[in-house]
Amino acid sequence: KQEVTQIPAALSVPEGENLVLNCSFTDSAIYNLQWFRQDPGKGLTSLLLIQSSQREQTSGRLNASLDKSSGRSTLYIAASQPGDSATYLCAVLQGGSEKLVFGKGMKLTVNP
Amino acid sequence: NAGVTQTPKFQVLKTGQSMTLQCAQDMNHEYMSWYRQDPGMGLRLIHYSVGAGITDQGEVPNGYNVSRSTTEDFPLRLLSAAPSQTSVYFCASSYGRVNTGELFFGEGSRLTVL
Repeated sequence: KQEVTQIPAALSVPEGENLVLNCSFTDSAIYNLQWFRQDPGKGLTSLLLIQSSQREQTSGRLNASLDKSSGRSTLYIAASQPGDSATYLCAVLQGGSEKLVFGKGMKLTVNP
Repeated sequence: NAGVTQTPKFQVLKTGQSMTLQCAQDMNHEYMSWYRQDPGMGLRLIHYSVGAGITDQGEVPNGYNVSRSTTEDFPLRLLSAAPSQTSVYFCASSYGRVNTGELFFGEGSRLTVL
């Protein structure tokens, strides 16, 4: 059974730091991996989608990488801002499945 | 574009009552799904659909029913609510099947069962 882990569960940093958020998964036979952002009381917003054949995706200050063989993905946030404060979740889609498996998320606080 | 719309946003039920959480999307997405989010448990898939007339079970389907009569709508029915169903429910949709692209989420429906 696929398991997705995000460690640490929470992170508090000063504004301006470059951040690395980690996501690990137990079964490397994935089809894709997505990173999401969730603001308090809101739904999830997709940030980046990486297909299994890709190594990384970039959007603005965000860069996500994928290493299937080691079961890891990282989300890099450059020059963090207070507006980046949110919970970040990763999710993997198993090959041949319609079901995303989510990590429990990491709560990020960026202090001014 | 409204995206994915969920109603109601908040609901309080008594044990044994029934209700339907509504979900509608205006993006002509084939794939729709329902998740519940609980503290310490993350998001868990309840039911999903890959097109009108086609539904399937997710990780935690017991106590919930779904149907998909149109592409736009995917209601989630609780036939006899239990306190264990207290949760935040999210509807999500994707163009084509889920493995072709990003997932779009609604704002959530917070359900309390007393």
